Amino acid sequence: AQSVTQLDSQVPVFEEAPVELRCNYSSSVSVYLFWYVQYPNQGLQLLLKYLSGSTLVESINGFEAEFNKSQTSFHLRKPSVHISDTAEYFCALVPRGGGTSYGKLTFGQGTILTVHP
Amino acid sequence: GAVVSQHPSRVICKSGTSVKIECRSLDFQATTMFWYRQFPKQSLMLMATSNEGSKATYEQGVEKDKFLINHASLTLSTLTVTSAHPEDSSFYICSAKGTSGLSYEQYFGPGTRLTVT
Repeated sequence: AQSVTQLDSQVPVFEEAPVELRCNYSSSVSVYLFWYVQYPNQGLQLLLKYLSGSTLVESINGFEAEFNKSQTSFHLRKPSVHISDTAEYFCALVPRGGGTSYGKLTFGQGTILTVHP
Repeated sequence: GAVVSQHPSRVICKSGTSVKIECRSLDFQATTMFWYRQFPKQSLMLMATSNEGSKATYEQGVEKDKFLINHASLTLSTLTVTSAHPEDSSFYICSAKGTSGLSYEQYFGPGTRLTVT
């Protein structure tokens, strides 16, 4: 079985400040890791993903996440946030192999990031 | 590419009636579609997995007779909430997986807000 824990339900920050959204996971098998962003009343958009290779992955809008196998973490960071980054962020995983969990995403509880002017 | 649409985006229905939600992959063939339910301020919970041409697989605790899923073509899956009650009010999101065979490639629809009065 797999699980994802997002340690902060809400993170308020001021514009241009750095932010870190924490994500820890548990799995008995190897997984792919993702961050999704959800704007109000919209579906999820993939922000970035870790599949293999470099443990640091980046998005086109300045977010980055680092896969840490020893700490089973995949924290999301941005050095300087904008008002437009205000949204809910979900960490998720999917097992690499097949079996009954093939393709099934397991989501964390979500973190609401609110950027204040 | 990889666009998934849902219709309707919002629906209000009376208790006891049925509501059908459509999920379409617009520019790719979706061999598998997933249906999620999201309660306010909570994460997405997988309800069922549907594969084109076969019966859907429901997650534990999801009533298959209440949430009817049909995946009749490679571009369309429908979720019908039968005899809806106020507790069925929620945000329903679908995702679609293409024929690439890669477990992590899922694309999400914008969601449907169901309100049962």
